[in-house]
Amino acid sequence: NAGVTQTPKFQVLKTGQSMTLQCAQDMNHEYMSWYRQDPGMGLRLIHYSVGAGITDQGEVPNGYNVSRSTTEDFPLRLLSAAPSQTSVYFCASSPKRFTAGYTFGSGTRLTVV
Amino acid sequence: KQEVTQIPAALSVPEGENLVLNCSFTDSAIYNLQWFRQDPGKGLTSLLLIQSSQREQTSGRLNASLDKSSGRSTLYIAASQPGDSATYLCAVRPGSSNTGKLIFGQGTTLQVKP
Repeated sequence: NAGVTQTPKFQVLKTGQSMTLQCAQDMNHEYMSWYRQDPGMGLRLIHYSVGAGITDQGEVPNGYNVSRSTTEDFPLRLLSAAPSQTSVYFCASSPKRFTAGYTFGSGTRLTVV
Repeated sequence: KQEVTQIPAALSVPEGENLVLNCSFTDSAIYNLQWFRQDPGKGLTSLLLIQSSQREQTSGRLNASLDKSSGRSTLYIAASQPGDSATYLCAVRPGSSNTGKLIFGQGTTLQVKP
């Protein structure tokens, strides 16, 4: 099925560990982005990309790193996990045209202890 | 700075009622507005996408309207069912830049009682 695939679905990390959240889409969408969802804070943009090789920071980028070497993949790296990064992470993609809507992945629930 | 607000934060209704969820945004320069549904512990499912040039969109029992000049959108759910219980999020695609970012409201959590 076409869509946005996120792995893993659940992850527990110890403070200071690093990890990569994977995101892949098979719809040939130019735009991809990462959001985190926290109670009372809603969905906040972490990083986004408008095409392969092009990334930029969103609202809450600190502690996260991204790269986009292909159109399909947009991994999110936690360099040194902190308890404040405990959250649910969503990846989303959209075609470049302004009239398009976004498709979201099913999310990764991350706990940092 | 674009801000999106959803009122009420929570809503509980008996089955069969027609209901309206509200979404307001501060900057009318948008490309489109998208309504999502989120079930507990799940991802976001797109319900309706309404372009800035459109007044409304319909899908089954759902109808979304958009009044860009006043910065408001409503999601109308007809004949509500317990299966409609979920959190409903609206998001605008700002027209100020070509980045494809979405700005979300905090959501309305709906409970439909049998």
